[in-house]
Amino acid sequence: GQQLNQSPQSMFIQEGEDVSMNCTSSSIFNTWLWYKQDPGEGPVLLIALYKAGELTSNGRLTAQFGITRKDSFLNISASIPSDVGIYFCAGQLWTNSGYALNFGKGTSLLVTP
Amino acid sequence: ETGVTQSPTHLIKTRGQQVTLRCSSQSGHNTVSWYQQALGQGPQFIFQYYREEENGRGNFPPRFSGLQFPNYSSELNVNALELDDSALYLCASSFKSGRYANTGELFFGEGSRLTVL
Repeated sequence: GQQLNQSPQSMFIQEGEDVSMNCTSSSIFNTWLWYKQDPGEGPVLLIALYKAGELTSNGRLTAQFGITRKDSFLNISASIPSDVGIYFCAGQLWTNSGYALNFGKGTSLLVTP
Repeated sequence: ETGVTQSPTHLIKTRGQQVTLRCSSQSGHNTVSWYQQALGQGPQFIFQYYREEENGRGNFPPRFSGLQFPNYSSELNVNALELDDSALYLCASSFKSGRYANTGELFFGEGSRLTVL
């Protein structure tokens, strides 16, 4: 699969702070998705982006599809303890493997009260 | 709750054995994708099934095989298990409008954790 570079690898913040994480790739994607995964569970879809430049919000979460189609970022405003988890970016494109999601390695977020 | 259910949730096998994992997709979805997630890594694409046929495959050997049934549920079979097959196996369902259409938003089950000893 295509290599996605997700950063930072981990973040340790205080409740109420804003969070920003991003994902870059050497390949162009036609869809970017952001997922959150809690321990022992499957990833849960947070935001889906389908057009270059698109900026989409879901509550306190905001994500953007980069103009170059090679990057995306996710912001979380006013973090709360339940934001703790691992956040994954995923890009989708058509290859000879079909349409598949390529995932980053994740950003681990810890929030202290 | 995504409506995607997987079984079993946990299982332990020994090297050389075979395993079958099962997945029921969300109502209205016609596509199932399987992913392998090793500890500390992001999920890796194994293959996708659309309307009972394989519709894309990642870099996994042939001993990883699958099926999709008329009700769109699916199975993942792994033969000749190796230690490195120990991982969380995730099933995701989605709706595709055609074989070559964008898979769109994937909804994951909670996974089957396989340990190979």
